[in-house]
Amino acid sequence: DVKVTQSSRYLVKRTGEKVFLECVQDMDHENMFWYRQDPGLGLRLIYFSYDVKMKEKGDIPEGYSVSREKKERFSLILESASTNQTSMYLCASRLTGYYGYTFGSGTRLTVV
Amino acid sequence: GENVEQHPSTLSVQEGDSAVIKCTYSDSASNYFPWYKQELGKGPQLIIDIRSNVGEKKDQRIAVTLNKTAKHFSLHITETQPEDSAVYFCAASRTGTASKLTFGTGTRLQVTL
Repeated sequence: DVKVTQSSRYLVKRTGEKVFLECVQDMDHENMFWYRQDPGLGLRLIYFSYDVKMKEKGDIPEGYSVSREKKERFSLILESASTNQTSMYLCASRLTGYYGYTFGSGTRLTVV
Repeated sequence: GENVEQHPSTLSVQEGDSAVIKCTYSDSASNYFPWYKQELGKGPQLIIDIRSNVGEKKDQRIAVTLNKTAKHFSLHITETQPEDSAVYFCAASRTGTASKLTFGTGTRLQVTL
């Protein structure tokens, strides 16, 4: 089975901190995605990457950046964490040509 | 861009009854429609999907129907069981290398004994 592993299940950070959320997949998938999940809003796309060193903005990229230096790893960076970035963050990967995503278990981030 | 609306936001059914969740989409070029189930503390998991050249697809107790003219698609769960209790998300996208899923807002399904 494909595994998408997110480094932390729960994270508490202070306002203004730089925060790194890490995601690793083990099945050589080209495409990787970061979504945030909020009650009543569903899953909203932050950033995605079609291949190594490539990145594209999603629907809500403000306040975030990403890094994809290796095919298996896709990092989400909160440059200066704010309380409105408190959320569940979900990473997903996909093989090019196949359209279903495999999700990680999520990181629940609280910014205080 | 694509916009996906999902209803209802919560649904409570008795064990053994059927459950139906409905979604509409806005982009007429969308042609891939998956459904995900999210259990407590886990990431969403793909349970069934349908492409626009198909009107209906079934997998045991789960079925999805698609009406491209009306731009809506539905998830049907028959003979519901307590383990069907979860949050369900619909999604839509075009196909192709640059495709990305747009999700609905989710339906919390509660199956009561």
